[in-house]
Amino acid sequence: QTVVTQEPSFSVSPGGTVTLTCGLSSGSVSTDYFPSWYQQTPGQAPRTLIYSTNTRSSGVPDRFSGSILGNKAALTITGAQADDESDYYCVLYMGSGIWVFGGGTKLTVL
Amino acid sequence: EVQLVESGGGLVQPGGSLKLSCAASGFTFSSHWMHWVRQAPGKGLMWVSRIKSDGSSATYADSVKGRFTISRDNVKNTLYLQMNSLRAEDTAVYYCAGALYYFDFAYWGQGTLVTASS
Repeated sequence: QTVVTQEPSFSVSPGGTVTLTCGLSSGSVSTDYFPSWYQQTPGQAPRTLIYSTNTRSSGVPDRFSGSILGNKAALTITGAQADDESDYYCVLYMGSGIWVFGGGTKLTVL
Repeated sequence: EVQLVESGGGLVQPGGSLKLSCAASGFTFSSHWMHWVRQAPGKGLMWVSRIKSDGSSATYADSVKGRFTISRDNVKNTLYLQMNSLRAEDTAVYYCAGALYYFDFAYWGQGTLVTASS
């Protein structure tokens, strides 16, 4: 069973830049996995940030960007703000109509 | 404005059944793939199931295959999840989500809580 890996936690200073990654327990992530990214605060539904690797969802500020870095998908937040403190999830399309979410990264802004 | 409103959650005994609904509005429901995603208390998101726009094909996570059935009514603009043989580990908030470009989860409901416990 392939596992989608994310850093459990990360911290960034206000105004700083952070890159969260999304990998595979076996193999490399490519655009063929259609990686997408979601932000979730406690008690709220997820909010779509990025889909198809690097396309920002409507209304998402350009401080958020997606890419492939090496063998992983990546979400980069530039100019981090206090309200970016959230859980971030990636999801990969594994083929054959199956998707797998990563375990999520808890981002702290301090 | 896109809206997805889930209903049907509640407390059920292990081994029991429950049917969730998700009422969609604000977009052309019949043109979009739809998903169910769940989140156990204090845990991460887990993809559960997807159904294509015309209902012709459905796929499931291994942990629910054979117990859960996804369906849709494109006249009523409603997505369903029939859950049978529920287990304690199925306890979660269940979200319906709609895809915009097939492989994403563009639209999300607010979720409905399912608790399988005696």
